[in-house]
Amino acid sequence: KAGVTQTPRYLIKTRGQQVTLSCSPISGHRSVSWYQQTPGQGLQFLFEYFSETQRNKGNFPGRFSGRQFSNSRSEMNVSTLELGDSALYLCASSQSGTGAGTDTQYFGPGTRLTVL
Amino acid sequence: GENVEQHPSTLSVQEGDSAVIKCTYSDSASNYFPWYKQELGKRPQLIIDIRSNVGEKKDQRIAVTLNKTAKHFSLHITETQPEDSAVYFCAARRDPGYGGATNKLIFGTGTLLAVQP
Repeated sequence: KAGVTQTPRYLIKTRGQQVTLSCSPISGHRSVSWYQQTPGQGLQFLFEYFSETQRNKGNFPGRFSGRQFSNSRSEMNVSTLELGDSALYLCASSQSGTGAGTDTQYFGPGTRLTVL
Repeated sequence: GENVEQHPSTLSVQEGDSAVIKCTYSDSASNYFPWYKQELGKRPQLIIDIRSNVGEKKDQRIAVTLNKTAKHFSLHITETQPEDSAVYFCAARRDPGYGGATNKLIFGTGTLLAVQP
C-alpha cells in the first residue's frame, strides 16, 4: 500500500495570510490526526478526524481548523498566519483508534511551513 | 493534565553499547505506548509499541518495558549501530474506555541518540 502523503511539502507565506495543507491517508484508514512539530515544543496534537467528524482537538487557537472528506483525505487550514506558526506539520493515519490493535499511526512526510 | 516526560534529551554511546531512554506519563488512563524514530529530515517511524496488558516487548535489538504502577516505560536498544542515530520519541494514548476512541498521542520531548563508530 502507498504510505501517507502530504502536499505541499514546503510552503512560504507572510504574516496575515492563510494556508491549506492536505493529507491523504493510507488506503482503508479512516482516522487522520494532525501534529505540529517545532524545535521548542516538540510534537503537539492539533486535531483528529474520523469518518468526517472531528473526534478530538488539541490546545490550539481557533485559527487552526480542519476537515475530512468522504474519501478520508483531510485538510487543515491556518488563518491569519503568525511568525510562530512556522513549523513542520505532520499528519498521521490509522484504521480506527478503538484500541483493538488496528490503531497504529503512520506519519506522512510533513509540510514545512515558513511564515515571514 | 496529560504530560509525558522523556529523558535524557541527548545520549551519546559507542557502537555496540546499549542505549536506554526513559519516559514517564501523567495520565493514569493511558494504555498504549508507541516509540517513534525520526531521522533528520524524515517522518517519524514507529519502531515498537506496547499496550498496558503486557510488561515487556522485544523485537530483535529493541525492547520496551512498561511499569504501569510507576507510570513509566523505557526503550532499550542493544548492540547499537551508527544507523540507530536519530531522534527517538515516546508517546502515550488514552484507553478508549475513558472518554471514547481516540488516536491522540501525547509525545515526549525527544531524545537525540548519537552512536559513535
